[in-house]
Amino acid sequence: AQKITQTQPGMFVQEKEAVTLDCTYDTSDPSYGLFWYKQPSSGEMIFLIYQGSYDQQNATEGRYSLNFQKARKSANLVISASQLGDSAMYFCLLQYNFNKFYFGSGTKLNVKP
Amino acid sequence: DAGVIQSPRHEVTEMGQEVTLRCKPISGHNSLFWYRQTMMRGLELLIYFNNNVPIDDSGMPEDRFSAKMPNASFSTLKIQPSEPRDSAVYFCASSRDIQNTGELFFGEGSRLTVL
Repeated sequence: AQKITQTQPGMFVQEKEAVTLDCTYDTSDPSYGLFWYKQPSSGEMIFLIYQGSYDQQNATEGRYSLNFQKARKSANLVISASQLGDSAMYFCLLQYNFNKFYFGSGTKLNVKP
Repeated sequence: DAGVIQSPRHEVTEMGQEVTLRCKPISGHNSLFWYRQTMMRGLELLIYFNNNVPIDDSGMPEDRFSAKMPNASFSTLKIQPSEPRDSAVYFCASSRDIQNTGELFFGEGSRLTVL
C-alpha cells in the first residue's frame, strides 16, 4: 500500500525555537516526491518545500528544511526560529508514478509568544 | 504572474441544485488537479488532467460529480444534484512538470456549503 502518515495531530512551540513536524511514507516506487504545504486559518494551501527521492541533499527553503531519511522513509519538516505567523496546519504530500498523490492528515502547529 | 485562480470563493446552495466550480491554472502548466478537503476525510484527489485530458478520475466520489477541461486555461468541476455531504472546500492545483520541478501550486479554494 502506498500511504503517508503524520502522527502529530497538534504541536506547540515557543516563538523563536525550532520545531520538527514528522512525516513517514510508504511506497515501493523508486521515484517519488515529497512536499510540505502550510494551510493557515484563511484556508489557502501554500507550498513550502519539495524533496525528490533521488535528491542527494536535503531540501532547504529559508527557515524550512526537510530532514530526508530515505532508509527510514521519513521526510520531517524542520522550521527554525518559529514565528507567530507559522501557526497553521501543515500537510505532507507523497507523489509517485506522476499522478498518484497522497496527503497526510496534517499537523496543527501553534506558536506561543 | 497570477497563481491558480478559482471561483467562486464561497458558495451556499440548496440540496438538489447544480454547482459549478471553476479553475484557471497557471499559464504554461500542463497538469491540473481537483482536490476536496473535509474534516472527516482530509484532502482527497478527485481527478487529474494532463494536457487537457482526464488521466485519473478514480477519486471522483460518484456520478453526480463531473469535471471538464475544454482548454489549457480553464477547468470546471460540476456537482449535479448537490447533497449536504458535498459540503467541503474544493481546491484546484496546477503543475508544469511535477516530476522534474516539484511544483504543485494550489488555488485559494472554493468553499461549498449545501443546505
